[in-house]
Amino acid sequence: GESVGLHLPTLSVQEGDNSIINCAYSNSASDYFIWYKQESGKGPQFIIDIRSNMDKRQGQRVTVLLNKTVKHLSLQIAATQPGDSAVYFCAEPPWGSARQLTFGSGTQLTVLP
Amino acid sequence: GAGVSQSPRYKVAKRGQDVALRCDPISGHVSLFWYQQALGQGPEFLTYFQNEAQLDKSGLPSDRFFAERPEGSVSTLKIQRTQQEDSAVYLCASSQSTKTGGWSYEQYFGPGTRLTVT
Repeated sequence: GESVGLHLPTLSVQEGDNSIINCAYSNSASDYFIWYKQESGKGPQFIIDIRSNMDKRQGQRVTVLLNKTVKHLSLQIAATQPGDSAVYFCAEPPWGSARQLTFGSGTQLTVLP
Repeated sequence: GAGVSQSPRYKVAKRGQDVALRCDPISGHVSLFWYQQALGQGPEFLTYFQNEAQLDKSGLPSDRFFAERPEGSVSTLKIQRTQQEDSAVYLCASSQSTKTGGWSYEQYFGPGTRLTVT
């Protein structure tokens, strides 16, 4: 079946360094992915999305890369700041879904001073 | 502007009690979703409304879970005879259809209700 998963449960980076959070998916027909950020005690917050007809999409300090060959996507955060400390989820709508999202288990990003 | 709000933020229930969790979506948002998030896990889909119609309830774990959105705005998730395994954060999200008539997958989440069943 289809699934969305993350490679590492935790990631620690120095403030100012770049962060890379990875995500794998299993359904080659998946055509849309979203990255969410969830701070402690809050609901997930939309960061960026990408459709399968794109390999790369950039936002403010964030870039998402999609490699359909190996069914892998990554979220890159430039010049990581303390406020970036959170759990990051990749998510996709399951095939044939009514637009609900299937989330991975998340990566806890910790920014070290 | 106002985002998605949920109440209560925290709820402690004794096993066997009924609880009702409320969600106020962003005004004008057609779609409303409920998710359950266990500790250390990603949110898991429970149910989906388009206006007042409940179009998908495939994620509800048992018949003790019931959701409604009678007027197409505020929604309530009710859990009857709560069990310890129901302890989780319950997230509500809303989204709007795009102006072109397509659907937006960008969902706006509320802060969640943390339910603890003792």
